[in-house]
Amino acid sequence: AAGVIQSPRHLIKEKRETATLKCYPIPRHDTVYWYQQGPGQDPQFLISFYEKMQSDKGSIPDRFSAQQFSDYHSELNMSSLELGDSALYFCASSLDGTRDYYGYTFGSGTRLTVV
Amino acid sequence: KNQVEQSPQSLIILEGKNCTLQCNYTVSPFSNLRWYKQDTGRGPVSLTIMTFSENTKSNGRYTATLDADTKQSSLHITASQLSDSASYICVVSADNYGQNFVFGPGTRLSVLP
Repeated sequence: AAGVIQSPRHLIKEKRETATLKCYPIPRHDTVYWYQQGPGQDPQFLISFYEKMQSDKGSIPDRFSAQQFSDYHSELNMSSLELGDSALYFCASSLDGTRDYYGYTFGSGTRLTVV
Repeated sequence: KNQVEQSPQSLIILEGKNCTLQCNYTVSPFSNLRWYKQDTGRGPVSLTIMTFSENTKSNGRYTATLDADTKQSSLHITASQLSDSASYICVVSADNYGQNFVFGPGTRLSVLP
């Protein structure tokens, strides 16, 4: 069965560079969530989208932005990267707002290393 | 393969009733198990965190149990309220540094008046 696909799997960037992470949800899933997990830390919720509109915002820095596109995939754009942005970024998708519920499916994440 | 399963997939109960959600995992080495509440389209809220040596932990009307031998956990909600309607996600950490979280698919709970 198709899963949540994230790309790239690994990314190395230098300080002050930009990075774009992509998340492709399960087909027909309409909600996407982004999380950041720093070394030795709990996952932190960043932002979520439902039907291409932002539905909730967590601890996402102003240097980051995200959007959900018409095909429901989402991109997390990160600018002016800092060493502290090094983390595992993973997304989840779900099908909400309907009577059917297929649960959450989490991607395996993108490992970002800022040097 | 590290995996977390949850049951039931969805649950509908009447306000004031109790319910129990189940989580089974095959994660090794086990570090801790967490239960999160997540409203539709919103970020998760941590309810409980349990390590290997803890077999029960409460947070208000939420009580989580852990049986590390059978690799099962449950989340019991007492005197349910309409605001309890949400998804409840079981997350198991695979090592002490929290570098490998394995997420369950969640149980969708609907509390009706």
